[in-house]
Amino acid sequence: KAGVTQTPRYLIKTRGQQVTLSCSPISGHRSVSWYQQTPGQGLQFLFEYFSETQRNKGNFPGRFSGRQFSNSRSEMNVSTLELGDSALYLCASSLGQAGTEAFFGQGTRLTVV
Amino acid sequence: GDSVTQMEGPVTLSEEACLTINCTYTATGYPSLFWYVQYPGEGLQLLLKATKADDKGSNKGFEATYRKETTSFHLEKGSVQVSDSAVYFCALSLTNAGGTSYGKLTFGQGTILTVHP
Repeated sequence: KAGVTQTPRYLIKTRGQQVTLSCSPISGHRSVSWYQQTPGQGLQFLFEYFSETQRNKGNFPGRFSGRQFSNSRSEMNVSTLELGDSALYLCASSLGQAGTEAFFGQGTRLTVV
Repeated sequence: GDSVTQMEGPVTLSEEACLTINCTYTATGYPSLFWYVQYPGEGLQLLLKATKADDKGSNKGFEATYRKETTSFHLEKGSVQVSDSAVYFCALSLTNAGGTSYGKLTFGQGTILTVHP
């Protein structure tokens, strides 16, 4: 079956702009999580959506937001971009139940200049 | 709060050497434990998992045992190959007593493994 698809793969944005990243989960998966990966901070949890509801949220400023649609596809938005937002953003989908595997997409590489 | 600590890297080994990457965790509740692997330019792939104490996860020659008494989940392989070169992440997810997932993975800092022929 098709894996987790993230678009676009690469983005270059200017400070102050906003950006929207997209994630299409595996068919049947109702949970979508987002992570930020940087060399300095490693992998940090942003938020998780389950059946269109945000179920959990990490410690990121309000400039980071997300949503999930009825078909489980999810988008993440970052407003007023800062240089420090440059990172690999990973999306993961799962059934959302205890101990179940999260399947990751290849990520979107965001560079803020 | 919950956290995962991995051994400092990078780790460099010769082919057919033994591998151990240490992982310890701090968590309240009932964590499930995972090892993920990331190859260059790729996302993360699940390597193995264990959902309760004394469970052993295994895959592709890698093993890890969920040790509640030492809060550890060390990754081991008896004979590494060049193709095992990657970054390895230990992670946990929490559930409540009813088994409901909190939907969040907490990762260790990652260990870079390089295997030379």
